[in-house]
Amino acid sequence: EAGVAQSPRYKIIEKRQSVAFWCNPISGHATLYWYQQILGQGPKLLIQFQNNGVVDDSQLPKDRFSAERLKGVDSTLKIQPAKLEDSAVYLCASSLAAGGISYNEQFFGPGTRLTVL
Amino acid sequence: SQQGEEDPQALSIQEGENATMNCSYKTSINNLQWYRQNSGRGLVHLILIRSNEREKHSGRLRVTLDTSKKSSSLLITASRAADTASYFCATVGAYGQNFVFGPGTRLSVLP
Repeated sequence: EAGVAQSPRYKIIEKRQSVAFWCNPISGHATLYWYQQILGQGPKLLIQFQNNGVVDDSQLPKDRFSAERLKGVDSTLKIQPAKLEDSAVYLCASSLAAGGISYNEQFFGPGTRLTVL
Repeated sequence: SQQGEEDPQALSIQEGENATMNCSYKTSINNLQWYRQNSGRGLVHLILIRSNEREKHSGRLRVTLDTSKKSSSLLITASRAADTASYFCATVGAYGQNFVFGPGTRLSVLP
């Protein structure tokens, strides 16, 4: 089965510019997650979708970050405007988890490495 | 916070030796999971242990869980150079709260 797809793999932008990341989860996975992983740290959950509804976005900086999951499949994460501290790897993951509860394992994509200059 | 904290932060061993990493957490959990991340790649799920389990095995991996001490350990036996990676524990709260990853242990297996 195909894994979680993400694009682009790398992105370099200047501060105050906008950027968008795309994720296609594993077919049939109801739950989709976006994580931010700063170099040397563990992933930090930004937002979790159950189908096309948001389950948890408590750690999403909503003044500059937004995410959507139209039709409950693909998802996009946007940063506008970007700051230097947004430089990180943005990971997308999906799972079979139902009911918004993350009991099961997550399958991760390769990530998008963002550099903000 | 239920964040897992791995220990040690970095570990360097010779090929063929065993590697042990520990994870501590703060609140009640439903399950604890271990993931591996090779440099520049996404995370790969290794093993899940539920709160009512004490030990699980998968190939060369052995995971233990002590809920009274709120800690878990991951043992990799007969390590190989290909095991070089960062290892993360992630906890799922007792009421289904989302994954919280620790900072990870960077394992280097020298040939």
